[in-house]
Amino acid sequence: QSVLTQPPSVSAAPGQKVTISCSGSNSNIGNNYVSWYQQVPGTAPKLLIYDNDKRPSGIPDRFSGSKSGTSATLGVTGLQTGDEADYYCGTWDSSLSAVVFGGGTKLTVL
Amino acid sequence: QVQLQESGPGLVKPSETLSLTCAVSGYSISSGYFWAWIRQPPGKGLEWIGSMYHSGSTYYNPSLKSRLIVSADTSKNQLSLKLTSVTAADTAVYYCARHAGRSNSHDWFDAWGQGTLVTVSS
Repeated sequence: QSVLTQPPSVSAAPGQKVTISCSGSNSNIGNNYVSWYQQVPGTAPKLLIYDNDKRPSGIPDRFSGSKSGTSATLGVTGLQTGDEADYYCGTWDSSLSAVVFGGGTKLTVL
Repeated sequence: QVQLQESGPGLVKPSETLSLTCAVSGYSISSGYFWAWIRQPPGKGLEWIGSMYHSGSTYYNPSLKSRLIVSADTSKNQLSLKLTSVTAADTAVYYCARHAGRSNSHDWFDAWGQGTLVTVSS
């Protein structure tokens, strides 16, 4: 059981928008910064968002991140078939003194 | 740009020690950043194993701490992972990654190796 809770799957049509939630507690999301990763099956994860809402160079602005209280959200607009992947949130947990990840969300572009 | 490459045995017997190396190119590990190991059991999610700074400062997953040694060889610009007394539950793809932001509690992984599958089986 993961410390951070994500929905197992989400889906939407090409061109539409989807959001993926990541729920935690005050010991992790509530008092630390959240990052998001995209993992296409068979490949390594790739950083999409860091510090809650910042995009690394090269990540399109179709991807966005936000945080409110003990939850964070990844938004993807203008969905493309290439966005089909597993998405993970991560943060530091101050009680555990450990990095924790969500269980992952599989995005399907219908 | 920084590149990471994991290597090591793909098969380890139960109760033995899993040993992996991560070769880093394009960046000197002694120049900064923490460096991490992360694993992913087949069909499952990501699990952080531990991170270390070149000076020796380490953070370990509490659930693995008693079996874990993470070290760095700055002369070879590589990281090492040793996990003792392995069981089938340690079967996973093991990734090394650059761990940014740890020194001020921001924490993200901005560069990853391709991963290496380690199977624990007799």
